[in-house]
Amino acid sequence: KNEVEQSPQNLTAQEGEFITINCSYSVGISALHWLQQHPGGGIVSLFMLSSGKKKHGRLIATINIQEKHSSLHITASHPRDSAVYICAVRSKQGAQKLVFGQGTRLTINP
Amino acid sequence: ETGVTQTPRHLVMGMTNKKSLKCEQHLGHNAMYWYKQSAKKPLELMFVYNFKEQTENNSVPSRFSPECPNSSHLFLHLHTLQPEDSALYLCASSQPPRVKDDKNIQYFGAGTRLSVL
Repeated sequence: KNEVEQSPQNLTAQEGEFITINCSYSVGISALHWLQQHPGGGIVSLFMLSSGKKKHGRLIATINIQEKHSSLHITASHPRDSAVYICAVRSKQGAQKLVFGQGTRLTINP
Repeated sequence: ETGVTQTPRHLVMGMTNKKSLKCEQHLGHNAMYWYKQSAKKPLELMFVYNFKEQTENNSVPSRFSPECPNSSHLFLHLHTLQPEDSALYLCASSQPPRVKDDKNIQYFGAGTRLSVL
């Protein structure tokens, strides 16, 4: 079992819908990252958080340290949001090593 | 544009070939990373370099040989690869730990998609 589990693995929705992607982890962490990977392969960092909630445009990320759980929300989803969203955690022991989830493939239909 | 450039973007090689992947970053970072992304598997860390020194080798087979001549450039030399080595190879850079303002936010290149025949 992977130390970082994401759900769902695949998600298809209509434009405008509210999207939630979940990430659960089983190790102690110093930070959690949400990343976006477009079909070309390149990865962009969306958020880094260690507590609470962060918002950037239509994206919101939350983390509950006690429950070892994080969520990524997208409001008013758009076809350009279609991508793979990856959760990654940085453990307390290894500051540089990130452990990645398998990713959630999101498709937003017009 | 993330400031991390990888070349080539696509590579097809036979099992007896020798090839190299190149990564260059223009962000002034001193840590660079190689990752492997196979189909339907999470990203796997391969190597970490801090200030040109290798600080992590994640049990990578010797047919993958990294080289970091300076803090801006990272290479991955490939020889006698196997078909199961076909994957997307991603390079990233960041500030190393304990550098002021380090949040270990890693900036990724677009990757090299490698096919081994």
